[in-house]
Amino acid sequence: KQEVTQIPAALSVPEGENLVLNCSFTDSAIYNLQWFRQDPGKGLTSLLLIQSSQREQTSGRLNASLDKSSGRSTLYIAASQPGDSATYLCAVHTNAGKSTFGDGTTLTVKP
Amino acid sequence: EAGVAQSPRYKIIEKRQSVAFWCNPISGHATLYWYQQILGQGPKLLIQFQNNGVVDDSQLPKDRFSAERLKGVDSTLKIQPAKLEDSAVYLCASSPMVGGRTEAFFGQGTRLTVV
Repeated sequence: KQEVTQIPAALSVPEGENLVLNCSFTDSAIYNLQWFRQDPGKGLTSLLLIQSSQREQTSGRLNASLDKSSGRSTLYIAASQPGDSATYLCAVHTNAGKSTFGDGTTLTVKP
Repeated sequence: EAGVAQSPRYKIIEKRQSVAFWCNPISGHATLYWYQQILGQGPKLLIQFQNNGVVDDSQLPKDRFSAERLKGVDSTLKIQPAKLEDSAVYLCASSPMVGGRTEAFFGQGTRLTVV
Protein backbone atom coordinates (compact mmCIF):
# COMPACT_ATOMS: atom_id res chain seq x y z
CA LYS A 1 0.00 0.00 0.00
CA GLN A 2 1.36 3.38 -1.03
CA GLU A 3 2.08 5.83 1.78
CA VAL A 4 2.99 9.48 1.26
CA THR A 5 4.65 11.54 3.98
CA GLN A 6 5.25 15.27 3.98
CA ILE A 7 7.76 16.92 6.27
CA PRO A 8 7.55 19.33 7.97
CA ALA A 9 3.84 19.49 8.83
CA ALA A 10 4.14 23.25 9.34
CA LEU A 11 6.72 25.85 8.42
CA SER A 12 7.01 29.55 9.19
CA VAL A 13 9.56 31.74 7.39
CA PRO A 14 10.20 35.47 6.94
CA GLU A 15 9.42 37.01 3.59
CA GLY A 16 12.17 36.66 0.99
CA GLU A 17 13.55 33.34 2.17
CA ASN A 18 14.05 30.38 -0.13
CA LEU A 19 12.51 27.19 1.22
CA VAL A 20 12.13 23.49 0.51
CA LEU A 21 9.14 21.25 1.17
CA ASN A 22 9.63 17.50 1.24
CA CYS A 23 7.50 14.60 0.08
CA SER A 24 8.40 10.92 0.38
CA PHE A 25 6.55 7.86 -0.90
CA THR A 26 6.98 4.16 -0.19
CA ASP A 27 6.20 2.57 -3.59
CA SER A 28 8.37 3.82 -6.46
CA ALA A 29 6.05 2.36 -9.12
CA ILE A 30 4.37 5.69 -9.83
CA TYR A 31 3.10 7.22 -13.08
CA ASN A 32 3.61 10.81 -12.00
CA LEU A 33 3.68 13.11 -9.00
CA GLN A 34 1.72 16.33 -8.56
CA TRP A 35 2.15 19.26 -6.19
CA PHE A 36 -0.94 21.22 -5.16
CA ARG A 37 -1.67 24.35 -3.22
CA GLN A 38 -4.73 24.62 -0.96
CA ASP A 39 -5.92 27.89 0.55
CA PRO A 40 -8.19 27.76 3.62
CA GLY A 41 -11.73 26.76 2.70
CA LYS A 42 -10.81 26.24 -0.95
CA GLY A 43 -10.17 23.37 -3.30
CA LEU A 44 -6.79 22.27 -4.64
CA THR A 45 -4.88 24.19 -7.27
CA SER A 46 -2.34 22.23 -9.29
CA LEU A 47 1.16 23.75 -9.21
CA LEU A 48 3.41 21.25 -10.96
CA LEU A 49 3.08 17.79 -12.48
CA ILE A 50 6.21 15.64 -12.90
CA GLN A 51 6.10 12.52 -15.03
CA SER A 52 7.97 9.48 -13.67
CA SER A 53 10.58 9.83 -16.43
CA GLN A 54 11.34 13.45 -15.51
CA ARG A 55 13.71 14.79 -12.87
CA GLU A 56 12.23 18.25 -12.36
CA GLN A 57 9.67 20.81 -13.43
CA THR A 58 9.76 24.59 -13.04
CA SER A 59 7.06 27.22 -12.98
CA GLY A 60 8.03 30.76 -12.05
CA ARG A 61 9.47 30.76 -8.53
CA LEU A 62 8.59 27.08 -8.04
CA ASN A 63 10.81 24.12 -8.84
CA ALA A 64 9.82 20.53 -8.15
CA SER A 65 12.25 17.61 -8.32
CA LEU A 66 11.60 13.89 -8.40
CA ASP A 67 13.90 11.02 -7.43
CA LYS A 68 11.72 8.00 -8.08
CA SER A 69 14.30 5.42 -7.02
CA SER A 70 14.61 6.91 -3.54
CA GLY A 71 10.92 7.77 -3.28
CA ARG A 72 11.40 11.49 -2.82
CA SER A 73 10.22 14.78 -4.24
CA THR A 74 10.97 18.33 -3.17
CA LEU A 75 9.20 21.60 -3.88
CA TYR A 76 11.53 24.59 -3.86
CA ILE A 77 10.02 28.05 -3.47
CA ALA A 78 12.34 30.95 -4.22
CA ALA A 79 12.03 34.41 -2.66
CA SER A 80 8.93 33.54 -0.65
CA GLN A 81 6.08 36.08 -0.37
CA PRO A 82 3.17 36.41 2.12
CA GLY A 83 0.85 35.35 -0.72
CA ASP A 84 2.58 31.97 -0.77
CA SER A 85 1.04 31.18 2.62
CA ALA A 86 -1.10 28.07 2.12
CA THR A 87 -1.04 24.31 2.57
CA TYR A 88 1.04 22.43 0.00
CA LEU A 89 0.07 18.87 -0.83
CA CYS A 90 1.85 16.27 -2.90
CA ALA A 91 0.10 13.35 -4.56
CA VAL A 92 1.49 10.30 -6.33
CA HIS A 93 -0.50 8.69 -9.12
CA THR A 94 -0.44 5.20 -10.64
CA ASN A 95 -1.02 4.62 -14.34
CA ALA A 96 -4.50 3.35 -13.42
CA GLY A 97 -5.31 6.83 -12.12
CA LYS A 98 -5.17 5.90 -8.44
CA SER A 99 -3.91 8.77 -6.28
CA THR A 100 -2.42 8.90 -2.80
CA PHE A 101 -2.03 12.25 -1.07
CA GLY A 102 0.23 13.36 1.74
CA ASP A 103 -1.23 15.31 4.66
CA GLY A 104 0.41 18.52 3.49
CA THR A 105 2.79 21.18 4.78
CA THR A 106 1.20 24.38 6.04
CA LEU A 107 3.41 27.32 5.09
CA THR A 108 3.25 30.76 6.69
CA VAL A 109 5.35 33.55 5.17
CA LYS A 110 5.62 36.52 7.52
CA PRO A 111 5.91 40.04 6.08
CA GLU B 1 -12.74 27.13 -19.60
CA ALA B 2 -15.17 26.74 -16.70
CA GLY B 3 -13.84 24.85 -13.69
CA VAL B 4 -15.29 21.98 -11.69
CA ALA B 5 -18.52 23.11 -10.05
CA GLN B 6 -19.74 21.73 -6.74
CA SER B 7 -22.79 22.44 -4.62
CA PRO B 8 -23.65 23.17 -1.95
CA ARG B 9 -20.56 24.87 -0.51
CA TYR B 10 -21.60 24.20 3.08
CA LYS B 11 -24.01 21.79 4.76
CA ILE B 12 -24.86 21.18 8.40
CA ILE B 13 -26.98 18.15 9.27
CA GLU B 14 -27.78 16.05 12.31
CA LYS B 15 -26.42 12.53 12.64
CA ARG B 16 -28.57 9.87 11.02
CA GLN B 17 -29.88 12.34 8.46
CA SER B 18 -29.10 11.99 4.76
CA VAL B 19 -27.26 14.44 2.50
CA ALA B 20 -26.33 14.69 -1.18
CA PHE B 21 -23.58 16.57 -2.97
CA TRP B 22 -23.47 17.48 -6.64
CA CYS B 23 -20.52 17.86 -9.01
CA ASN B 24 -20.33 19.12 -12.58
CA PRO B 25 -16.89 18.35 -14.07
CA ILE B 26 -15.07 20.28 -16.74
CA SER B 27 -16.70 19.67 -20.10
CA GLY B 28 -15.20 16.72 -21.94
CA HIS B 29 -13.36 15.27 -18.95
CA ALA B 30 -13.83 11.51 -18.92
CA THR B 31 -12.57 10.85 -15.40
CA LEU B 32 -14.31 12.08 -12.26
CA TYR B 33 -13.17 11.61 -8.66
CA TRP B 34 -14.76 12.14 -5.26
CA TYR B 35 -12.41 12.69 -2.33
CA GLN B 36 -12.99 13.06 1.41
CA GLN B 37 -10.68 15.48 3.22
CA ILE B 38 -10.76 15.46 7.01
CA LEU B 39 -9.36 18.55 8.70
CA GLY B 40 -5.55 18.42 8.86
CA GLN B 41 -5.27 15.48 6.46
CA GLY B 42 -4.79 15.01 2.76
CA PRO B 43 -7.68 14.03 0.49
CA LYS B 44 -8.66 10.36 0.47
CA LEU B 45 -10.18 8.88 -2.69
CA LEU B 46 -13.74 7.63 -2.24
CA ILE B 47 -14.67 6.74 -5.81
CA GLN B 48 -13.35 7.14 -9.36
CA PHE B 49 -15.52 7.12 -12.49
CA GLN B 50 -14.41 6.67 -16.08
CA ASN B 51 -17.29 8.10 -18.13
CA ASN B 52 -20.29 6.59 -16.29
CA GLY B 53 -18.54 3.42 -15.09
CA VAL B 54 -16.91 2.91 -11.68
CA VAL B 55 -13.16 2.30 -11.85
CA ASP B 56 -12.32 2.27 -8.15
CA ASP B 57 -14.64 2.39 -5.14
CA SER B 58 -12.51 0.31 -2.81
CA GLN B 59 -12.44 3.00 -0.11
CA LEU B 60 -16.11 3.97 -0.32
CA PRO B 61 -18.06 2.95 2.82
CA LYS B 62 -20.79 1.28 0.82
CA ASP B 63 -23.09 0.70 3.78
CA ARG B 64 -23.77 4.43 3.93
CA PHE B 65 -22.19 6.13 0.91
CA SER B 66 -23.34 5.89 -2.68
CA ALA B 67 -22.41 7.73 -5.85
CA GLU B 68 -23.54 7.85 -9.44
CA ARG B 69 -22.48 9.63 -12.57
CA LEU B 70 -25.37 10.49 -14.83
CA LYS B 71 -24.72 9.95 -18.54
CA GLY B 72 -20.99 10.26 -17.90
CA VAL B 73 -21.24 13.95 -16.96
CA ASP B 74 -22.63 15.20 -13.62
CA SER B 75 -22.20 13.17 -10.46
CA THR B 76 -23.88 12.97 -7.07
CA LEU B 77 -22.48 11.61 -3.81
CA LYS B 78 -24.94 10.61 -1.09
CA ILE B 79 -24.51 9.76 2.57
CA GLN B 80 -27.34 7.95 4.35
CA PRO B 81 -27.35 7.90 7.34
CA ALA B 82 -24.62 10.35 8.28
CA LYS B 83 -22.30 9.84 11.25
CA LEU B 84 -20.31 12.39 13.22
CA GLU B 85 -17.06 11.11 11.66
CA ASP B 86 -18.35 12.02 8.19
CA SER B 87 -17.67 15.69 8.98
CA ALA B 88 -15.16 16.68 6.30
CA VAL B 89 -14.72 18.52 3.04
CA TYR B 90 -15.88 16.53 0.02
CA LEU B 91 -13.88 17.38 -3.08
CA CYS B 92 -14.75 16.56 -6.65
CA ALA B 93 -12.07 16.49 -9.34
CA SER B 94 -11.99 15.73 -13.05
CA SER B 95 -9.30 14.77 -15.52
CA PRO B 96 -9.38 14.63 -19.32
CA MET B 97 -7.57 11.37 -19.98
CA VAL B 98 -9.14 8.02 -20.72
CA GLY B 99 -6.72 5.58 -19.14
CA GLY B 100 -3.36 6.85 -17.94
CA ARG B 101 -3.32 9.98 -15.88
CA THR B 102 -2.98 13.67 -16.48
CA GLU B 103 -3.48 16.71 -14.38
CA ALA B 104 -6.57 16.72 -12.17
CA PHE B 105 -8.68 19.81 -11.65
CA PHE B 106 -10.48 20.26 -8.34
CA GLY B 107 -13.69 21.99 -7.35
CA GLN B 108 -14.03 24.23 -4.28
CA GLY B 109 -15.45 21.39 -2.21
CA THR B 110 -18.47 20.96 0.04
CA ARG B 111 -17.84 21.36 3.75
CA LEU B 112 -20.09 18.96 5.69
CA THR B 113 -20.63 19.28 9.42
CA VAL B 114 -22.54 16.50 11.18
CA VAL B 115 -23.81 17.44 14.65
